[in-house]
Formats: sequence, structure tokens, C-alpha cells
Amino acid sequence: AQSVTQLGSHVSVSEGALVLLRCNYSSSVPPYLFWYVQYPNQGLQLLLKYTTGATLVKGINGFEAEFKKSETSFHLTKPSAHMSDAAEYFCAVSRGFAAGANNLFFGTGTRLTVIP
Amino acid sequence: DAGVIQSPRHEVTEMGQEVTLRCKPISGHDYLFWYRQTMMRGLELLIYFNNNVPIDDSGMPEDRFSAKMPNASFSTLKIQPSEPRDSAVYFCASSRQGGTEAFFGQGTRLTVV
Repeated sequence: AQSVTQLGSHVSVSEGALVLLRCNYSSSVPPYLFWYVQYPNQGLQLLLKYTTGATLVKGINGFEAEFKKSETSFHLTKPSAHMSDAAEYFCAVSRGFAAGANNLFFGTGTRLTVIP
Repeated sequence: DAGVIQSPRHEVTEMGQEVTLRCKPISGHDYLFWYRQTMMRGLELLIYFNNNVPIDDSGMPEDRFSAKMPNASFSTLKIQPSEPRDSAVYFCASSRQGGTEAFFGQGTRLTVV
């Protein structure tokens, strides 16, 4: 079975500070992992994804995440927070190659606040 | 491409009324998903279709919920009768066969009073 745990429902950082959003997953097969961002009153937009290959993946808006199989983690980072990064972030897992992006299991989300 | 299009964006209805949410997936996508987002339960997959055929509806909460996909470019999610606890944001998403990204619509915010 697939599941995702996001540690911290709310994270606050100062503008210019490091952003670290934590995600741990559980999967019975090699997973595909995703980070989505949701701005107020908007749908979800893909930030980045891990499928196969390089374990450090880079996404849009300066975000990156590293797949660590030994830790079953896929934490999202950004070196320097910007005010426009304030949003809700969702980690998601799917059943790997057999499922592609289908049947995503989402974490409960982390709301990021950026303090000027 | 215009992306996944959902309508209406907002719906307010009285308890007991029928509600129909609509979705137009991205052209060429084989998979269509309906999700529900609430504060209490987060994002839940309700049902998904592959080539217009429902594959997994185990997330549909009750018989009051039904979903159809009469053709590749249109899907509906119907709630009849609606109840206040159905108030949520409903998202439609689509992806292509073998794809590694699901594209989401902007959602329908449903309020049942």
C-alpha cells in the first residue's frame, strides 16, 4: 500500500531563509514521488517529480527534492524563500511505473508562510 | 492547451438538492480523476476513469455520489441528494497513458447549506 506523511502542517520561514518541507512515504513497490503546490483558490500545480534515475530532482521556482530510499523520504527544499512561495504544498506517491501518475496518494499538506 | 476545465467554480445549494459538477480533461489524456479536498480529510481520490471506463470508485463516499464519463472530453460528478457534509472543493485531474504528471483543474467549491 502507498501512503505519505508530511511532518508539520504549518511551516513559517523568513524571506531569504531556507525552506525545508518534510515528506516520508510508504510504498510496497518502487514509487513515483511528487510535490504539488496549491496557491489560494487554485488547483494543484506540479513542482517536481521523481520517477527513476537521478535522486536529486529540480523543479520550478528554485525548488528541489531528494529521493532517499534508505530513509523513505522525499523532502522539498529551496535555498532562499520568496514571498511568492507562500502556499500549500502536497507530497504525493503513486505505485511507480505500473501506475505512472495515476492514483496519487496525497499527504495532508504543509502550509508555508513567508515572513517579510 | 487550455488545461483541465471545471465548472462551475463555485456552487451553493440547499440540502437535498441535486448537484452536478463538470470536467473537461486535456485533449488526448486517457485518465480522468475526481478528488475531494476538505480540511478534515485532505485530498481524497473519489474515482478515476481510463478511456472513459470507471476503474476504481472505492473512494466514492456513498451511493449519493455518482460519476460518469460519456466521452473522452467530458465527465460529471453528481451528488443526489446533497448534504452539508458534502461541502468541499472538488478537483478534476487528467493524465495520459504512461504519463508521470496529473494535471489539475482549478476546482469547484461546493457549499451545501
